Amino acid sequence: DTEVTQTPKHLVMGMTNKKSLKCEQHMGHRAMYWYKQKAKKPPELMFVYSYEKLSINESVPSRFSPECPNSSLLNLHLHALQPEDSALYLCASSQDGPTREQYFGPGTRLTVT
Amino acid sequence: AQSVTQLDSQVPVFEEAPVELRCNYSSSVSVYLFWYVQYPNQGLQLLLKYLSGSTLVESINGFEAEFNKSQTSFHLRKPSVHISDTAEYFCAVSDSSGGGFKTIFGAGTRLFVKA
Repeated sequence: DTEVTQTPKHLVMGMTNKKSLKCEQHMGHRAMYWYKQKAKKPPELMFVYSYEKLSINESVPSRFSPECPNSSLLNLHLHALQPEDSALYLCASSQDGPTREQYFGPGTRLTVT
Repeated sequence: AQSVTQLDSQVPVFEEAPVELRCNYSSSVSVYLFWYVQYPNQGLQLLLKYLSGSTLVESINGFEAEFNKSQTSFHLRKPSVHISDTAEYFCAVSDSSGGGFKTIFGAGTRLFVKA
């Protein structure tokens, strides 16, 4: 199984809502990533978890809160978002090692109204 | 610090013609280089990678890329493109700094194959 799954596929939320994005992989990868991708732009790294510990936080606003409950799951909790946070949110995973080849999920298209 | 420059934002080409998508990188240490492809409304998929060894790397669908250390380039080529190759292509670089978790992506090149 070389698949990374993400739910939901689409999400529309108001600025006062709380929602969560979910990501799952069963490849035994020990690194998991959240990226934000705006239209016609490359992915921007938000967070990296390695062995279920937060390894990198790219100065992301606190209205985004990541969580890694176990080695297969990664969540992104959303609260009080702004319209400019509307984007495609991509999850990825990789083996722990020098190659860091990443496997991406299909993404969650988020719209903040 | 690492950086990646993709020299063309869009490349239109006719079906069955050859194509080259250009990528230059900068890094102060040994690098690992990748090409990812993103089809509309999908995530990114790894196309090919250079880690070490032979400087010419190939993918299963006819793409190839050549690592040129002196020119700090990793251009992607295909001798004959298909309509289905229409997609966004990202060149990416990572190295051992920062724990090796940071992959820097280029701005992307949109390949548009015309019939």
